[in-house]
Amino acid sequence: KAGVTQTPRYLIKTRGQQVTLSCSPISGHRSVSWYQQTPGQGLQFLFEYFSETQRNKGNFPGRFSGRQFSNSRSEMNVSTLELGDSALYLCASSTSKETQYFGPGTRLLVL
Amino acid sequence: AQSVTQPDIHITVSEGASLELRCNYSYGATPYLFWYVQSPGQGLQLLLKYFSGDTLVQGIKGFEAEFKRSQSSFNLRKPSVHWSDAAEYFCAVGARLTGGGNKLTFGTGTQLKVEL
Repeated sequence: KAGVTQTPRYLIKTRGQQVTLSCSPISGHRSVSWYQQTPGQGLQFLFEYFSETQRNKGNFPGRFSGRQFSNSRSEMNVSTLELGDSALYLCASSTSKETQYFGPGTRLLVL
Repeated sequence: AQSVTQPDIHITVSEGASLELRCNYSYGATPYLFWYVQSPGQGLQLLLKYFSGDTLVQGIKGFEAEFKRSQSSFNLRKPSVHWSDAAEYFCAVGARLTGGGNKLTFGTGTQLKVEL
């Protein structure tokens, strides 16, 4: 089975722009979670989607949003980018069980 | 709220030596516990997991971990380290959420360096 894929792998944006990241889960996995990884804050939970609905949300501002499509693919969007949004964004997929499998991440640099 | 502590930020071991990475967690119920490994510029790879049952769990790449409820610990071990094990290791606790699903809370990670 193919693993979790994320596109693009690298992005450079400037402050004030918006960005959309994409995640394709493992086939058959209906839950997709997003995490932000930074040197200062470590790995932090952004949100989780299941059956096209946001089921859980972490403590991030409303500039961070996401959605899930009927094929379980997910996108996350960050609007009005700030320098502090520079990070590795990781997507993870899971079945109804608790084990999350991670993709390679998208590295976002905000200038 | 759940939390995970990895007290060692950096660890250096010689190739062939044994390894133990420490992890302590705080969680009100029976925890789901995980160890992940991350190579530079990569995502997280699952090494092993504990849900219930046998407190000694085996994972990939020769790693094992032992769940000790009395000590709230889930330490990762390997009897003989290989140079390719150099990476960052994350311990995580999975919390079931009221809306269904779960989220992972991670420790700050332990950077492992292997000396040849």
